[in-house]
Amino acid sequence: AQSVTQLGSHVSVSEGALVLLRCNYSSSVPPYLFWYVQYPNQGLQLLLKYTSAATLVKGINGFEAEFKKSETSFHLTKPSAHMSDAAEYFCAVSEDRDDKIIFGKGTRLHILP
Amino acid sequence: DTGVSQNPRHKITKRGQNVTFRCDPISEHNRLYWYRQTLGQGPEFLTYFQNEAQLEKSRLLSDRFSAERPKGSFSTLEIQRTEQGDSAMYLCASSFNPGQPRNTEAFFGQGTRLTVV
Repeated sequence: AQSVTQLGSHVSVSEGALVLLRCNYSSSVPPYLFWYVQYPNQGLQLLLKYTSAATLVKGINGFEAEFKKSETSFHLTKPSAHMSDAAEYFCAVSEDRDDKIIFGKGTRLHILP
Repeated sequence: DTGVSQNPRHKITKRGQNVTFRCDPISEHNRLYWYRQTLGQGPEFLTYFQNEAQLEKSRLLSDRFSAERPKGSFSTLEIQRTEQGDSAMYLCASSFNPGQPRNTEAFFGQGTRLTVV
């Protein structure tokens, strides 16, 4: 069965610094991979998705993620953190055969002034 | 289109009572998903529908839980004889799956927060 592991339940970065949120996946078939963001008291919003078209995926709000098959990773990055990026971020995986999306436990991103 | 709509947004119930939640997906979305999210955890998959057919139920979904999507549009999730452990945020999502190529971008509602006292 597919799964994702997010390293670090909490990550703190200074405003203007690089954001790196780590995600490793497990899948027996080529996966579809996603990053979702959840702001307090709000639903989940899709940041970006990987569907095998390109290994480097650009998303909204300046985020991007790179699919590395050899490392089974899909880490999320942003060159310069903004205070508004403070939120919970979820990595997720889906497989073609059943199409349901499985989420990681999430990483809470804190932005330090 | 206003997105995925869930009602109610909050529900407080006494242990042992039954509760029902409703989800209205984005129109023309044929897939509808239910997830449960507890504090500090990611959303856990419960079940999903393709039109009116329920395709899969998670082992997390005990016999007290039942979900329906009778006409392939809105869906309901009922919990019978609620327990304190059922307290969580229940999230609904919808997507359009045309077959091949797939598009599994799921759009989420804001959830129903259930508190069992």
